[in-house]
Amino acid sequence: DIQMTQSPSSLSASVGDRVTITCRASQGITNYLAWYQQKSGKIPKLLIYAASTLQSGVPSRFSGSGSGTDFSLTISSLQPEDVATYYCQKYNGAPPWTFGPGTKVEIK
Amino acid sequence: DVQLVESGGSLVQPGESLRLSCAASGFSFSDYWMSWVRQAPGKGLEWVANIKQDGSATYFVDSVKGRFTISRDNAKKSLYLQLHSLRAEDTAIYYCARGSLTKGHDYWGQGTLVTVSS
Repeated sequence: DIQMTQSPSSLSASVGDRVTITCRASQGITNYLAWYQQKSGKIPKLLIYAASTLQSGVPSRFSGSGSGTDFSLTISSLQPEDVATYYCQKYNGAPPWTFGPGTKVEIK
Repeated sequence: DVQLVESGGSLVQPGESLRLSCAASGFSFSDYWMSWVRQAPGKGLEWVANIKQDGSATYFVDSVKGRFTISRDNAKKSLYLQLHSLRAEDTAIYYCARGSLTKGHDYWGQGTLVTVSS
C-alpha cells in the first residue's frame, strides 16, 4: 500500500506569514492528491483536489502544487481562521485512499 | 444543498455488531462513489471503505477487511456500513463522505460515534 507522510506535524506562525505544508507519497500517485482542513470539533472540508485545483468557495490564499510523490499546501497569508489540522489524501487509483497523519497549524 | 446524515452509532461491547446508515439528499446519489472515513478520539482521519456507484465494487482498509461490509441502496439514497467483531480500536466517529475519482471527498456528514468498550 502507498503510505502518505506529512511535515511538519505541527507549526506555529504569525498572522500574515506564508505557511507551507508538505505531503509525500511512498509511490507516485500522479496528481490524485487532495487537501482537507479540519477545525477543532468540526468536520473535514475539502480545500484542494487534483493537487492544485481550489475547491469552490475556498479562499485564494490557499494553493497546492506537486505531482508524482511530492506535494505541498501553501497558505500565502495566514489568518486566525486558518487555525486547524490539515490532511492530505491520496485518492483514485488502487485503494486504500490513505490520509496523511495531519499537520496542526496554530497562530504564534 | 448536499446533505449526508449518519445514524446508528452507539456504545457496544467488544465482539458485537453494529449497522451504520447514511441518508443522502441534494444530489444524484447513484452517480457517486461513497465512502466511510473514521476518526478515533484525538487522532487523524482514516479512510475505511468505499463503494462504486452501482455497488459492483467495494474496497476496505486492511484493518477492517473481513469484519466490515459496505453497501448502498440507490433507490433509498442510502449508504450502509455493517460492523462485525468490533474491537476497542474501532472506537471512532464514523463519517459518510461523497467520493469522486476526480476530487476526493467533497461532502461530509456530521458523523456518528461508535464506542467499543466493556
